[in-house]
Amino acid sequence: AQKITQTQPGMFVQEKEAVTLDCTYDTSDPSYGLFWYKQPSSGEMIFLIYQGSYDQQNATEGRYSLNFQKARKSANLVISASQLGDSAMYFCAMRPKITQGGSEKLVFGKGTKLTVNP
Amino acid sequence: KAGVTQTPRYLIKTRGQQVTLSCSPISGHRSVSWYQQTPGQGLQFLFEYFSETQRNKGNFPGRFSGRQFSNSRSEMNVSTLELGDSALYLCASSPGTGAYEQYFGPGTRLTVT
Repeated sequence: AQKITQTQPGMFVQEKEAVTLDCTYDTSDPSYGLFWYKQPSSGEMIFLIYQGSYDQQNATEGRYSLNFQKARKSANLVISASQLGDSAMYFCAMRPKITQGGSEKLVFGKGTKLTVNP
Repeated sequence: KAGVTQTPRYLIKTRGQQVTLSCSPISGHRSVSWYQQTPGQGLQFLFEYFSETQRNKGNFPGRFSGRQFSNSRSEMNVSTLELGDSALYLCASSPGTGAYEQYFGPGTRLTVT
């Protein structure tokens, strides 16, 4: 069964420092996608970054980068130069078995609450 | 381009009642997925619709149902509400044809008393 594990319920970081949020996954499918979403207290899920299982390079989007270690089945999110507005819940998610026209169901981890201190 | 909209944003219902939630996807998107978020169970997949057809379904009782209209708008219905149905219900839309991004709406917060 597909599963996402986020072992850090809460993380604290000083403003302007970098922080790494951990994510490990379990799947037997060779083709899958990994996502990170941010959820502020308002509730809306905001897409941050995507990594496909066949992508050779780690994904980057502005201050966000994904440290993808396929053999270890980990997909950690790195946020550089943290800002106060980065305080939120962060969810790692996986889309198992990516096929053209196939289901886009996401499996989510439990999330990590990030607090950025001034 | 307008984002995903969900109505209503907040809802209070009594046990035993039924409720209908609505989701309007981004213009041009044909896939809508629904998720339930609770503090105990986290985010759980309810169902997914693509071009008016249910493409996938999560492990929820039959009290939870949904549908999608020809304009891609989707509704989900919960009948015979239970206290445990109190949750944030999120819908996500995507083109549905292989693009990886899914865009979420603000959610409907349902409270069952």
